[in-house]
Amino acid sequence: AQSVTQLDSQVPVFEEAPVELRCNYSSSVSVYLFWYVQYPNQGLQLLLKYLSGSTLVESINGFEAEFNKSQTSFHLRKPSVHISDTAEYFCAVTETGANNLFFGTGTRLTVIP
Amino acid sequence: DSGVTQTPKHLITATGQRVTLRCSPRSGDLSVYWYQQSLDQGLQFLIQYYNGEERAKGNILERFSAQQFPDLHSELNLSSLELGDSALYFCASSGGPNQPQHFGDGTRLSIL
Repeated sequence: AQSVTQLDSQVPVFEEAPVELRCNYSSSVSVYLFWYVQYPNQGLQLLLKYLSGSTLVESINGFEAEFNKSQTSFHLRKPSVHISDTAEYFCAVTETGANNLFFGTGTRLTVIP
Repeated sequence: DSGVTQTPKHLITATGQRVTLRCSPRSGDLSVYWYQQSLDQGLQFLIQYYNGEERAKGNILERFSAQQFPDLHSELNLSSLELGDSALYFCASSGGPNQPQHFGDGTRLSIL
């Protein structure tokens, strides 16, 4: 069975500081991995995805995540955060060929001015 | 704008009632997914439809049902509502298996 663990429920960080949001998954087969962001009172927006190829994937707003198969991780990083990055971030996994996503419990990122 | 439209945005009703939530997927997407987001359960997958047929089932209660119509819009029916059903219900759509899912803004259901 698949599962996703986001160990940090809340991460406060000062503006312009780096941040890492951790995500670990468990699955017995090949997976696809996603990060979604949810701003207050909005739906989830796809931030970035790993389907195949390069293990380092990037988003248009400076976030990146690296797929590490040996550590079953897909941590999200940004070298310098902005106030506008304050949101809840969800890691999700699906097995290749499967249909539904399994989500982690989310990490609330709060950027402090 | 994800292209996925959910109506209504807010719904307030009483225990024992029945409600219908509606979702229009992105143009061209054949798959529709329903999720429930609550404070205690997090984001839970409920059910998926692909081109009108049920494709996958998650933690969906027997009091809940869904369908996808020929025009690909989907409805989630919740009946015999309980206080614990209060949550945000999201619809998502995708072009196929393992394709990224695009989410609507959700319907906030409050049971009084």
